Amino acid sequence: DAMVIQNPRYQVTQFGKPVTLSCSQTLNHNVMYWYQQKSSQAPKLLFHYYDKDFNNEADTPDNFQSRRPNTSFCFLDIRSPGLGDAAMYLCATGGGGTPSTDTQYFGPGTRLTVL
Amino acid sequence: RKEVEQDPGPFNVPEGATVAFNCTYSNSASQSFFWYRQDCRKEPKLLMSVYSSGNEDGRFTAQLNRASQYISLLIRDSKLSDSATYLCVVNINSWGKLQFGAGTQVVVTP
Repeated sequence: DAMVIQNPRYQVTQFGKPVTLSCSQTLNHNVMYWYQQKSSQAPKLLFHYYDKDFNNEADTPDNFQSRRPNTSFCFLDIRSPGLGDAAMYLCATGGGGTPSTDTQYFGPGTRLTVL
Repeated sequence: RKEVEQDPGPFNVPEGATVAFNCTYSNSASQSFFWYRQDCRKEPKLLMSVYSSGNEDGRFTAQLNRASQYISLLIRDSKLSDSATYLCVVNINSWGKLQFGAGTQVVVTP
């Protein structure tokens, strides 16, 4: 019944070693989002895809990239993780109606540790 | 000024009591409002959408005051399982970008 799936749930990487987080959805939503959430802070939007259109937030570092090969899958690539990138990464989906009134459905998140 | 502001709490609530808290938002053009619940180290989950006329879902009541730009959440007959962080979420543009508050922590005690 899982609707938004994230893998892995926990990821440990070394400083500077590239890492890829994955997200898949069974909702057939046309919008997919990636958020970064640090402890006791609000989720921060990194970027989103509206279908195949990629939309980067102005303050998202170049170190973060994303790919969406099809409707169901979306990936977050961190090219050279730093200690400050340790966080929970949340994937969310939305769609099916007017974007401005859509709710978003979150995956369980991937907790990234950088050593 | 933050786009969405919440009292971080914690609100310590005896089981069975009522607790209420607010959230203020800065973008007067916002059209959609939500309360999400987030348990420790878990993902946010939608608790309820907030409609202009206010709405109720069981023990939870949400109110929207557009003139003063705040949203409230009231929890009646608090249960231990209501202990969580409640995130106020506001849609801030036409394509559905959400702005999250940092959350209000609620701790229900026996």
